[in-house]
Amino acid sequence: NAGVTQTPKFRILKIGQSMTLQCTQDMNHNYMYWYRQDPGMGLKLIYYSVGAGITDKGEVPNGYNVSRSTTEDFPLRLELAAPSQTSVYFCASNWLGGELFFGEGSRLTVL
Amino acid sequence: KQEVTQIPAALSVPEGENLVLNCSFTDSAIYNLQWFRQDPGKGLTSLLLIQSSQREQTSGRLNASLDKSSGRSTLYIAASQPGDSATYLCAVRGGGSQGNLIFGKGTKLSVKP
Repeated sequence: NAGVTQTPKFRILKIGQSMTLQCTQDMNHNYMYWYRQDPGMGLKLIYYSVGAGITDKGEVPNGYNVSRSTTEDFPLRLELAAPSQTSVYFCASNWLGGELFFGEGSRLTVL
Repeated sequence: KQEVTQIPAALSVPEGENLVLNCSFTDSAIYNLQWFRQDPGKGLTSLLLIQSSQREQTSGRLNASLDKSSGRSTLYIAASQPGDSATYLCAVRGGGSQGNLIFGKGTKLSVKP
């Protein structure tokens, strides 16, 4: 099993550009999450999904959008990139209340 | 609001030493607690998951304990090795099985040969 796969691993954006971070999992997990990790700030939840067609905001959702059309995929969209969105983004998944599995991360720089 | 604290932020020990990493949380009404390891530039790898009804979990040289009443968990690493060098994070799930995980900021461990 590949587990949780994120693409791209690295990306540089200009202010105002848009992009989508891709996330897919092959463990048939119903729950999926997007976190951002900033130095000294820990992990912050951006959005999460409890199943296909259902998404909800986390702690820091502003500037992001998500969709969950299938169990496997949970893309994160940045519409108008800002320097404050420079961060490392992690996708994760689990069964209800179970062990959480993370992807390798996507490092985004907005200049 | 649940807060998770890990002290110290960094720890350096000689190889072979047994060590304890600490995690404290403010709300004892947790569903479970999970310990992770993060290597530089990598994602988080799950080490141990402790349910609220459990007192401890063991995996190889790792032992995690949970004391809900005092709001504390410890991760014990026996006979540390340079390969154990990484950042260790704990995360607490509250509000039942659907609750979100709240993460500590981690303890950066360095094991010197």
